[in-house]
Amino acid sequence: GDSVTQTEGLVTLTEGLPVMLNCTYQSTYSPFLFWYVQHLNEAPKLLLKSFTDNKRPEHQGFHATLHKSSSSFHLQKSSAQLSDSALYYCALSSNTGYQNFYFGKGTSLTVIP
Amino acid sequence: EAAVTQSPRNKVTVTGGNVTLSCRQTNSHNYMYWYRQDTGHGLRLIHYSYGAGNLQIGDVPDGYKATRTTQEDFFLLLELASPSQTSLYFCASSHWGWWGTGQLYFGEGSKLTVL
Repeated sequence: GDSVTQTEGLVTLTEGLPVMLNCTYQSTYSPFLFWYVQHLNEAPKLLLKSFTDNKRPEHQGFHATLHKSSSSFHLQKSSAQLSDSALYYCALSSNTGYQNFYFGKGTSLTVIP
Repeated sequence: EAAVTQSPRNKVTVTGGNVTLSCRQTNSHNYMYWYRQDTGHGLRLIHYSYGAGNLQIGDVPDGYKATRTTQEDFFLLLELASPSQTSLYFCASSHWGWWGTGQLYFGEGSKLTVL
């Protein structure tokens, strides 16, 4: 079945350092991959979505590259900001009859001064 | 921006009590979902629906019923609430068409405490 793995539960970074949050997935079909971000006391909202034409999605300085050979969709940013502190979810959707979304367990990112 | 509205935002009940969480979306999305969020488990799918009258079972359905009465409205029912159902519940909607997968739009969440 489909599944998403986020290996880091908690990540603490100093402001200005690069961010990389890991996401790997398993899927029988060619899925869409997403990153959702959830700030404290807010709802999750879309950060990035993979493209079918292999373009690299970017938003708010974050980007992610879908590597089908390694089944990965890691989230990256060149320089962390204090406002990036949040919970990040990687998710997968594969159109196999029903549209279902599978989420990883999330990575809590804390950026310190 | 898509709108998903949940009510109540906070609910406290006792073990064995009846709870109904409501969700309304005004975006004409065909799919609606109920998730629960717990530390260490992330977002887990309870039930989802692709249209009025339809219900699909998610990954953690035990103890929950759901009903999609209209395109807009999706309800989550806990008929005999237990402390293990204390959680933050999110409703979400999305649209799936011939072009593929749309994104999820989440409501603001309903915090349920079962004493």
